[in-house]
Amino acid sequence: NAGVTQTPKFRVLKTGQSMTLLCAQDMNHEYMYWYRQDPGMGLRLIHYSVGEGTTAKGEVPDGYNVSRLKKQNFLLGLESAAPSQTSVYFCASKTFNQPQHFGDGTRLSIL
Amino acid sequence: ELKVEQNPLFLSMQEGKNYTIYCNYSTTSDRLYWYRQDPGKSLESLFVLLSNGAVKQEGRLMASLDTKARLSTLHITAAVHDLSATYFCAVDSLYSGGGADGLTFGKGTHLIIQP
Repeated sequence: NAGVTQTPKFRVLKTGQSMTLLCAQDMNHEYMYWYRQDPGMGLRLIHYSVGEGTTAKGEVPDGYNVSRLKKQNFLLGLESAAPSQTSVYFCASKTFNQPQHFGDGTRLSIL
Repeated sequence: ELKVEQNPLFLSMQEGKNYTIYCNYSTTSDRLYWYRQDPGKSLESLFVLLSNGAVKQEGRLMASLDTKARLSTLHITAAVHDLSATYFCAVDSLYSGGGADGLTFGKGTHLIIQP
């Protein structure tokens, strides 16, 4: 049972490049989330999804897009990467009234 | 807007001592979570507190929730080095329908326990 799997684990981008982070969960959870973690800031919600085909904005959505075409996958896209998006990105999933399960994170550096 | 404040943000303590981490939140909520994060690792769920007066214990850690005071505490008893980590509290909005809307996290308490 893999739980929540994030791909890739590390990535270095140049300013202006685009990329997609993939999150996959095998627990049949309805809800999925993308957070970013910056030093001294805790985790902040970027976007989330309450079901296949639905997405919603979180606290810090600017510069990111998401898609949930399949229940088990939640993609986070950066269309034109900026140095301010250097961060550790965590995906999480959960079901109703249960705690969130987190992936191992993606460490993204933008030069 | 829901805000979550933890204190202290940094704590260095000796093994064998007791201490408490505090988590205050700004709006009504009935679900509070404590997570542990080791350096470079993911977040591990420690406790889920679902009602006023809830108390949960696991080993040397005990968490409690007072929804009227909008306060949760994480108490460490007779600390050991293995408990060194960063601890986060996180809160669901009361109106998020089963917690669907995501969590609001505190900034975390970086705990170092020295022999």
